[in-house]
Amino acid sequence: GAVVSQHPSRVICKSGTSVKIECRSLDFQATTMFWYRQFPKQSLMLMATSNEGSKATYEQGVEKDKFLINHASLTLSTLTVTSAHPEDSSFYICSARFRGLAEAFFGQGTRLTVV
Amino acid sequence: QKEVEQNSGPLSVPEGAIASLNCTYSDRGSQSFFWYRQYSGKSPELIMSIYSNGDKEDGRFTAQLNKASQYVSLLIRDSQPSDSATYLCAVYGSGNTGKLIFGQGTTLQVKP
Repeated sequence: GAVVSQHPSRVICKSGTSVKIECRSLDFQATTMFWYRQFPKQSLMLMATSNEGSKATYEQGVEKDKFLINHASLTLSTLTVTSAHPEDSSFYICSARFRGLAEAFFGQGTRLTVV
Repeated sequence: QKEVEQNSGPLSVPEGAIASLNCTYSDRGSQSFFWYRQYSGKSPELIMSIYSNGDKEDGRFTAQLNKASQYVSLLIRDSQPSDSATYLCAVYGSGNTGKLIFGQGTTLQVKP
């Protein structure tokens, strides 16, 4: 079964509103969580890296005030897309690494549509 | 030069054939290598990891790593239509960033 759970799987919101996406590690405590964005027919683009209890590290070109990441516990990270616009419509995916494991596991992804 | 490079394809093989997917990486210090499968509209799913030179087999899948050539490949034997997906090669950089670097993915089409 899935070790990383992401919700919601789909969300439609109005332009100008904010959307929160949750990413939970289920059976293990995640040392690090990653947030990606993927546009159609393109590869994954890393947005930020989040360690529990510390501020997220954003990739170059990603607006940290627009994409708020909170990693409050070893099992939960959230991504909030603030003041969403249609160009923010994309597939957002989280992944997690666990202590002692090199592999990263992905959540199911969230399809965000801003209308 | 991209850090992780894959041929975007599509790679088309008949059912039952061997599909060979290739990936090169630029960071000679990289130590951990992964193959993910991504079906259309879904998130990536880990299918293989490999850390040492040589071959690693898991069912119909074989990962091959050659660190001297900075090359990692994935072979899928007895390809099935259900294997049709995009295959992503991922590599950890040698720095201690913990970030996976993904290739752009190769789309595989297995035709019945």
